[in-house]
Amino acid sequence: AQSVTQPDIHITVSEGASLELRCNYSYGATPYLFWYVQSPGQGLQLLLKYFSGDTLVQGIKGFEAEFKRSQSSFNLRKPSVHWSDAAEYFCAVGAGAGGTSYGKLTFGQGTILTVHP
Amino acid sequence: EPEVTQTPSHQVTQMGQEVILRCVPISNHLYFYWYRQILGQKVEFLVSFYNNEISEKSEIFDDQFSVERPDGSNFTLKIRSTKLEDSAMYFCASGGTRGYQETQYFGPGTRLLVL
Repeated sequence: AQSVTQPDIHITVSEGASLELRCNYSYGATPYLFWYVQSPGQGLQLLLKYFSGDTLVQGIKGFEAEFKRSQSSFNLRKPSVHWSDAAEYFCAVGAGAGGTSYGKLTFGQGTILTVHP
Repeated sequence: EPEVTQTPSHQVTQMGQEVILRCVPISNHLYFYWYRQILGQKVEFLVSFYNNEISEKSEIFDDQFSVERPDGSNFTLKIRSTKLEDSAMYFCASGGTRGYQETQYFGPGTRLLVL
């Protein structure tokens, strides 16, 4: 069974500081990995995804994530956080190529990001 | 940019009543999904749907739930007899044309409150 762990429930950073949100996954085969962001009262917006190839992926709003198979991790990073980045961030895993799941995404519990001015 | 839309944004209902949540997926997508998020909890998969059939459903998706694509544009989730524990945000998602292993795009959600 696939699972995702986001160890940090809440992170607070100052505006302009760097950010790293952790994500560890468990999946028996090649995973597809995603980061979504949810602002209060809003839906889930895709930040970036990893399907294959280069393990460092770039996303929208200056975010990037690195897939490390040996560590089963897909951590999200941003070099300089803006106040508008305050939101909840979700890591998700789906079945990759050759998988048998019919599109099911499994989400982590989310990390709430607070940005101080 | 194409997006998934959902109506209503909020719904309040009495326990035991039927509700229908509506979604309009991105127009050329063929794969559709429902997820839910109980307040303070993870987003949970409910069901995936392709070619007018359920492809996969979770253990949450019991006989009280059903999905339908009544026409070429809408995708609905029906809860026949709502329970208090059905109170949640329900998200519709659609994804691509080539298969299940494609990016899913989520709608803004319907917040359901069962009293």
